Amino acid sequence: KQEVTQIPAALSVPEGENLVLNCSFTDSAIYNLQWFRQDPGKGLTSLLLIQSSQREQTSGRLNASLDKSSGRSTLYIAASQPGDSATYLCAVRRGEYGNKLVFGAGTILRVKS
Amino acid sequence: DAGITQSPRHKVTETGTPVTLRCHQTENHRYMYWYRQDPGHGLRLIHYSYGVKDTDKGEVSDGYSVSRSKTEDFLLTLESATSSQTSVYFCAISDPLARHSGANVLTFGAGSRLTVL
Repeated sequence: KQEVTQIPAALSVPEGENLVLNCSFTDSAIYNLQWFRQDPGKGLTSLLLIQSSQREQTSGRLNASLDKSSGRSTLYIAASQPGDSATYLCAVRRGEYGNKLVFGAGTILRVKS
Repeated sequence: DAGITQSPRHKVTETGTPVTLRCHQTENHRYMYWYRQDPGHGLRLIHYSYGVKDTDKGEVSDGYSVSRSKTEDFLLTLESATSSQTSVYFCAISDPLARHSGANVLTFGAGSRLTVL
């Protein structure tokens, strides 16, 4: 059974700092991995999707990497801002069809101004 | 929320009553999902649909049923609500041919908060 773990569970950093969020999964046979952001009381917003054949994806100040063989992904946030404060979740998908994602519990990020 | 509407957004009900949550999409996406989100458990899949009248169970399907009679609507029903079903329920959609959101990218609704007393 696929299990997804996110470390740390919570993180508080000063504005401007670069930071890394970690996601690990137990079964390396994944189709893709997706990072989401969730603001309090809101739904999830997709940030980046990495296919199993890719090593990284970038969007603005965000960079996500994938090392399938070791079962790890990282989300790098450059020059953090208070507006980045949210919960960040990663999810791995097993197959092309059915889209059964397994989610991690998330990392709660607070960026202090 | 990218053409996904959940209703109701908030509901308080009593144990033993039936409850139906509705998810409506305007994206014409093939796949639709119902998740629940609870502290300490993250998001867990309840049921999903891969087409009209085609549904399958997720990891926490007991006590829930779903129906999809039209592409745009996916209903989640609690036949007899229990306190353990107090949660925030999220609908999501995806499609391998989606262009606006990206192929196979999961797009979520805003959530429905259900409290069972």
